[in-house]
Amino acid sequence: DTEVTQTPKHLVMGMTNKKSLKCEQHMGHRAMYWYKQKAKKPPELMFVYSYEKLSINESVPSRFSPECPNSSLLNLHLHALQPEDSALYLCASSHYETPNYEQYFGPGTRLTVT
Amino acid sequence: AQSVTQPDIHITVSEGASLELRCNYSYGATPYLFWYVQSPGQGLQLLLKYFSGDTLVQGIKGFEAEFKRSQSSFNLRKPSVHWSDAAEYFCAVGGIQGAQKLVFGQGTRLTINP
Repeated sequence: DTEVTQTPKHLVMGMTNKKSLKCEQHMGHRAMYWYKQKAKKPPELMFVYSYEKLSINESVPSRFSPECPNSSLLNLHLHALQPEDSALYLCASSHYETPNYEQYFGPGTRLTVT
Repeated sequence: AQSVTQPDIHITVSEGASLELRCNYSYGATPYLFWYVQSPGQGLQLLLKYFSGDTLVQGIKGFEAEFKRSQSSFNLRKPSVHWSDAAEYFCAVGGIQGAQKLVFGQGTRLTINP
């Protein structure tokens, strides 16, 4: 099984809402990632978790709050977002946090902030 | 600063024709190199990777890429494209600025003419 799953597929939320994105993998990977992808742009790294600990935060605003409850799950909690946060949010995982292990991507959550 | 450049924003080829997508990187050492493909509204799928060894690497879906250190390039090729190859293609470099971080090029959109 080389699948990374993400829910929901689509999400529309107001600027005052609180919502969460969920990512799951059952490949035994110990590194998990959140990326943000705007239309017609490449993915941009937001966070990296390694062995369930946050190892990289790319200066992401605090309205995005990641959580890694166990080695298979990764959440992204959203609060007080802005319309410019509308994007495709991609989750990825890899065996370890070294570059010689490729990252497997999920299908993404399409987020619209109104 | 380290960077990845995909000079062609959009390429159109006829079905059955050969394809070459260009990728250049700027990095002092030999980086970890990847090509990913993204269909509309989907996540990214790894086509192939290069870490070391044979500079011509084979990937999935009939793609190959050649690493040329002297030109700092990692171009993607396919001898005969199929309509299903229409997608966005991203070159990425890993191992820069920390182990896990992937830096993506801006992407090349491939259109296939019937």
